[in-house]
Amino acid sequence: SQQGEEDPQALSIQEGENATMNCSYKTSINNLQWYRQNSGRGLVHLILIRSNEREKHSGRLRVTLDTSKKSSSLLITASRAADTASYFCATVAREGSNYKLTFGKGTLLTVNP
Amino acid sequence: EAEVAQSPRYKITEKSQAVAFWCDPISGHATLYWYRQILGQGPELLVQFQDESVVDDSQLPKDRFSAERLKGVDSTLKIQPAELGDSAMYLCASRGGLNTGELFFGEGSRLTVL
Repeated sequence: SQQGEEDPQALSIQEGENATMNCSYKTSINNLQWYRQNSGRGLVHLILIRSNEREKHSGRLRVTLDTSKKSSSLLITASRAADTASYFCATVAREGSNYKLTFGKGTLLTVNP
Repeated sequence: EAEVAQSPRYKITEKSQAVAFWCDPISGHATLYWYRQILGQGPELLVQFQDESVVDDSQLPKDRFSAERLKGVDSTLKIQPAELGDSAMYLCASRGGLNTGELFFGEGSRLTVL
C-alpha cells in the first residue's frame, strides 16, 4: 500500500521556471523524505524534513511540511533540463517497533530546454 | 563513494522459470530493503532486514518469493516460478545509523517475464 500521493502526476515546464510538487499522506509521521529517480535508474535521496520542522532548504530545493494538513511540497527553483526525472515523496512512520518508509506514486517532471 | 551493488541489471525470463537477484549494501549498513517498482508507480516494500533477521515481509508473496541475508551482509531475492505480473524493477536499498534516516539505493534489476 502507498501512503503518499503526489500531485500532479506529471509536470512539464521550461528551463528556468520553478517546479512545485505536492505530497499528501494519511497517518502521523516521524519524517518525510523526497527522492529523485532518473529513467531506468535507482532512487537518489534529496532531502529529509522532520515532523517538527516546517521548512527546509538544500541548494535549489525547498521543502515545506504541514502536519496539520498532512501535506508537503517540493519546490525546485530555476529548473534545468537535467532536473528531468520522477520525484517521489516517502513517509517514515512507526509501525510497532519498526519505522516503515512508504513511497508515493511520484511526479514525472519534464524540463524543456 | 560507497554504493549499493545489484545484479543482474537486466533479466529476461520465461514464465514458470526461477530467477534470482543479488544485492550488496553499503559496508556497515545493518538495514537492507527490497522494493518492487512497476513502471509508472512508486516502489513498494517487499522485505526489510535488520542484520540477518526479517523485520517486515508482510507484502512479500511468500508462495513464490523468498529472500535471505544469511550473514547479515549481502542478500538474495528469489522468484520461483516467475509470472507475467512479476515484470518490474527490483530495487535494493540500505540504511545505516538512525532507523528513520535516508535510504541508499542500487541501480535496480529490471525483470521482464515473457
